[in-house]
Amino acid sequence: GENVEQHPSTLSVQEGDSAVIKCTYSDSASNYFPWYKQELGKRPQLIIDIRSNVGEKKDQRIAVTLNKTAKHFSLHITETQPEDSAVYFCAARSTDSWGKLQFGAGTQVVVTP
Amino acid sequence: GAVVSQHPSWVICKSGTSVKIECRSLDFQATTMFWYRQFPKQSLMLMATSNEGSKATYEQGVEKDKFLINHASLTLSTLTVTSAHPEDSSFYICSATGVGNNQPQHFGDGTRLSIL
Repeated sequence: GENVEQHPSTLSVQEGDSAVIKCTYSDSASNYFPWYKQELGKRPQLIIDIRSNVGEKKDQRIAVTLNKTAKHFSLHITETQPEDSAVYFCAARSTDSWGKLQFGAGTQVVVTP
Repeated sequence: GAVVSQHPSWVICKSGTSVKIECRSLDFQATTMFWYRQFPKQSLMLMATSNEGSKATYEQGVEKDKFLINHASLTLSTLTVTSAHPEDSSFYICSATGVGNNQPQHFGDGTRLSIL
């Protein structure tokens, strides 16, 4: 089955700096890669996703890149703000997994003013 | 759009009782719903995949007789934790996907279950 690894587990950045989180996946059949933001005690919220036919996608301060050959994808947050502090999860979905997502272990992002 | 409602948000009950958690898609039809369990500071662990009108598919290591899942309609799935014990205490979250391929998963608010 799919295995997703996520790094780093914790990330501290100064407000205004950029944050980068990296994930690798094992199943070459995976074709959908969402990123979720989860604040303490709340639901994971989809912040951006990318499909395998695209190499990069951007939405305001958030961007995701995908390298299918290397089987890795990354989340980039620019001009970080204190409200960006949360746990971020990457995930991968294979075409033969009935829609199941395999999640990474998560990255605790702390943005300090 | 794509709102998933989960109830209750918080449950405290005695050991041995059964607890039912509801997951509803409010503004879309959910052909597939997923149930996750999340321990503090850990990732989401998929428990089972639920398709409307059919039996749920459980992940390895998840007891189907312990965690009963029903998906009777395109907008409602329920998870019943039977004869709950303290080790079942956790944060349970559902998610739902709409009709069609490659639909994103939208999550409910989660249920914090505490068994005394």
